[in-house]
Amino acid sequence: DAGVTQSPTHLIKTRGQQVTLRCSPKSGHDTVSWYQQALGQGPQFIFQYYEEEERQRGNFPDRFSGHQFPNYSSELNVNALLLGDSALYLCASSLAGQGVTYAQYFGPGTRLTVT
Amino acid sequence: SQQGEEDPQALSIQEGENATMNCSYKTSINNLQWYRQNSGRGLVHLILIRSNEREKHSGRLRVTLDTSKKSSSLLITASRAADTASYFCATVNTGRRALTFGSGTRLQVQP
Repeated sequence: DAGVTQSPTHLIKTRGQQVTLRCSPKSGHDTVSWYQQALGQGPQFIFQYYEEEERQRGNFPDRFSGHQFPNYSSELNVNALLLGDSALYLCASSLAGQGVTYAQYFGPGTRLTVT
Repeated sequence: SQQGEEDPQALSIQEGENATMNCSYKTSINNLQWYRQNSGRGLVHLILIRSNEREKHSGRLRVTLDTSKKSSSLLITASRAADTASYFCATVNTGRRALTFGSGTRLQVQP
């Protein structure tokens, strides 16, 4: 039973560039959430996708966008990268029927460095 | 923004001792969860306590919740070197679908 997988593991980009991060949810899960974790901080919620639509969004600018595919996998896109976007990006999956009442399963994360 | 504060920010103990971490939050919650994170990688769910529960146990873990004080504590008994990690509390706020995390406690267990 595969857990949540994310790719790539590490990524280095230059200011102003665009980046796409990918996530495959745990088998049987249909909901994907994305979080940004700056060094030394707790994760912050970016948005959540269910049935290929953004269901809820945190306090992040429109430069952050996402997509969910019919197989429930998801992408996070960040445009016009800023130095402050350097962080660990975490994907978490869950089952919609259980809501966030139950445990979220997190992937290992993608470490993004913007220079 | 972070939900609240975790206390202490860092904790160093000897193997075999108990470790207690506290978490405060600001808004009405549906439930509160504790997660562990090793070396800046993915988070692992430890335990969930619902807003109508006061105490919960799972193995060496004990969680309490006081909704009147908007606070929770995580107790790890008989700690091991492998418990060395960062521990985060996260709330599911009423009407929301996302987890709102605290700033975390970095636990170091000395062998």
